[in-house]
Amino acid sequence: EPEVTQTPSHQVTQMGQEVILRCVPISNHLYFYWYRQILGQKVEFLVSFYNNEISEKSEIFDDQFSVERPDGSNFTLKIRSTKLEDSAMYFCASKTQPNTEAFFGQGTRLTVV
Amino acid sequence: QQQVKQSPQSLIVQKGGISIINCAYENTAFDYFPWYQQFPGKGPALLIAIRPDVSEKKEGRFTISFNKSAKQFSLHIMDSQPGDSATYFCAASHGGATNKLIFGTGTLLAVQP
Repeated sequence: EPEVTQTPSHQVTQMGQEVILRCVPISNHLYFYWYRQILGQKVEFLVSFYNNEISEKSEIFDDQFSVERPDGSNFTLKIRSTKLEDSAMYFCASKTQPNTEAFFGQGTRLTVV
Repeated sequence: QQQVKQSPQSLIVQKGGISIINCAYENTAFDYFPWYQQFPGKGPALLIAIRPDVSEKKEGRFTISFNKSAKQFSLHIMDSQPGDSATYFCAASHGGATNKLIFGTGTLLAVQP
């Protein structure tokens, strides 16, 4: 069964460092998303990406965040200068069409120390 | 307007019992209501979803009941099993370019043997 894969599964970084979280969406999917889940809290939308551009971003997704689809298969989330409050699980999701099922990856646990 | 309120926060059910989780929303533009199941350390996985043109949808032991006028929907798990122990999130989205998911706060379900 096709699945969304994310790497790494766990990343520890020092405050102020840049991190890149990587995702490989399901191959025929066209809509891509990043969500965040702070420990014990709900899943929150960060950004959506379609046709090689951001289609919507939340207020969480400030200038420190960026997304890219560099090679037609990977979908990355970059945090330029990490803060302690960026510590969370980051989930990538993808779907074929707008109003269809979103498939989530296993997540990357980001710990900022 | 964009919130989805979920209750209870946690639920303990005996094996074989019925688990019921409730959600409420404000935004009448929402037109897709999925339930996600999440096991520790994993990404959310779609369990069942409903659109507002039907009042109930059943898949195996899982049923969504939808009350459009009250802007409420609920998940019923019949014959609950220990393997159902997980966190359950309701969510909502509306048509448009991004169809981002707005998640509820989650319900931690524990099914006791």
